[in-house]
Amino acid sequence: QKEVEQNSGPLSVPEGAIASLNCTYSDRGSQSFFWYRQYSGKSPELIMFIYSNGDKEDGRFTAQLNKASQYVSLLIRDSQPSDSATYLCAVRGSNQAGTALIFGKGTTLSVSS
Amino acid sequence: EAEVAQSPRYKITEKSQAVAFWCDPISGHATLYWYRQILGQGPELLVQFQDESVVDDSQLPKDRFSAERLKGVDSTLKIQPAELGDSAMYLCASSEGVNYGYTFGSGTRLTVV
Repeated sequence: QKEVEQNSGPLSVPEGAIASLNCTYSDRGSQSFFWYRQYSGKSPELIMFIYSNGDKEDGRFTAQLNKASQYVSLLIRDSQPSDSATYLCAVRGSNQAGTALIFGKGTTLSVSS
Repeated sequence: EAEVAQSPRYKITEKSQAVAFWCDPISGHATLYWYRQILGQGPELLVQFQDESVVDDSQLPKDRFSAERLKGVDSTLKIQPAELGDSAMYLCASSEGVNYGYTFGSGTRLTVV
């Protein structure tokens, strides 16, 4: 059973701080990794994706990937109250049946002003 | 900005009744997914289509759930009969291809009473 694990939180940070969200995955053959943000009662929206080891930056967001450790993280710099949401890590599986994303349970982030 | 259309937004149905959800993906997106998200959990794949063909329905409870995408465009997910445990958010997503991230629709919140 391929799994994606996230700490459910809540992760609480003050406004302006760096929020660090972590994710591990079990399928060593996974090739692509995604972070989605989901506000309460809404559907997930794509924030970032990363395919290669290392860091990928987009504005205040940085995704980090370490395939050897099977670890993905998302850093949010200068956190804002509007960043308060659940962050879902998703991994594209490598099974032959399909290439659908496998999601973690999500980490709830709370940014206090 | 192109969107994935879903309807209805909310549905309340009685146990043992039939219920159907509709999804219209972004124009040109060949890959369509149906996910179920129980409150507090991550989305779980029900079925994946590539054009009109089912790629993966291994997690679809086929005794009560069915999905079709007859012309390779819009799709319908049906539950018959509905059970209390089916209460969840049903999310449709589409992507340009199997190696891309998804765009989710707004979802259908199903409550079975």
